[in-house]
Amino acid sequence: QLQLQESGPRLVKPSETLSLTCTVSGGSITTSYYWDWIRQPPGKGLEWIGSISYTGNTYTYYNPSLKNRVTISVDTSKNQFSLKLTSVTAADTSVYYCARHYPGYSGNYYAFDIWGLGTMVTVSS
Amino acid sequence: QSALTQPASVSGSPGQSITVSCTATSSDVGNYNLVSWYKQHPAKAPELIIYAVSKRPSGVSDRFSGSKSGNTASLTISGLQAEDEADYYCCSYAGSSTLVFGGGTRLTVL
Repeated sequence: QLQLQESGPRLVKPSETLSLTCTVSGGSITTSYYWDWIRQPPGKGLEWIGSISYTGNTYTYYNPSLKNRVTISVDTSKNQFSLKLTSVTAADTSVYYCARHYPGYSGNYYAFDIWGLGTMVTVSS
Repeated sequence: QSALTQPASVSGSPGQSITVSCTATSSDVGNYNLVSWYKQHPAKAPELIIYAVSKRPSGVSDRFSGSKSGNTASLTISGLQAEDEADYYCCSYAGSSTLVFGGGTRLTVL
């Protein structure tokens, strides 16, 4: 059964770069699925950060409100994908989830069907 | 990105039915039948309960149903149970391979 696991530093200083990795186990990352990052500030709602797909070529898509600070990449040799968020502030303090969705009018129709457990990242000096 | 508006809270008694609305400020929801719904218990990852407006993943109770009219999608939970108490989020495809979530609705079972 496919599982996702987030990892990375739990504490990041303001103005620095937040870096997280999602390890995919029980299946390959090189499928038609898109691999996503989603975050949730404490006590608030969910926010889609962006997604990546790899089927020979790499395609990335970002939330317009974050795209100037976000980079999502994939490492097929490790079956992982990663998030980098630059110039972080306290507003970036959140639980960060990795997830997957199938793009298009088939499969799960752009729904996030598998999620990681999430990792809390705090931005503080 | 446009927003999806959900009521902050809804409540109902055991056995009753409740409906959570999800209204797009633009035509994001209306243009695509690509709305999904998620249930989230405190300190847990969200769980997919409805996709493509009204389809249920395997294993999800048929007490959960979804619909859409114009720019408003709806989640209905019938036969309310104590374990339905949670936060519920809608999500829609918003074009150009982007997605947007609603603000979330807290369901209280009285």
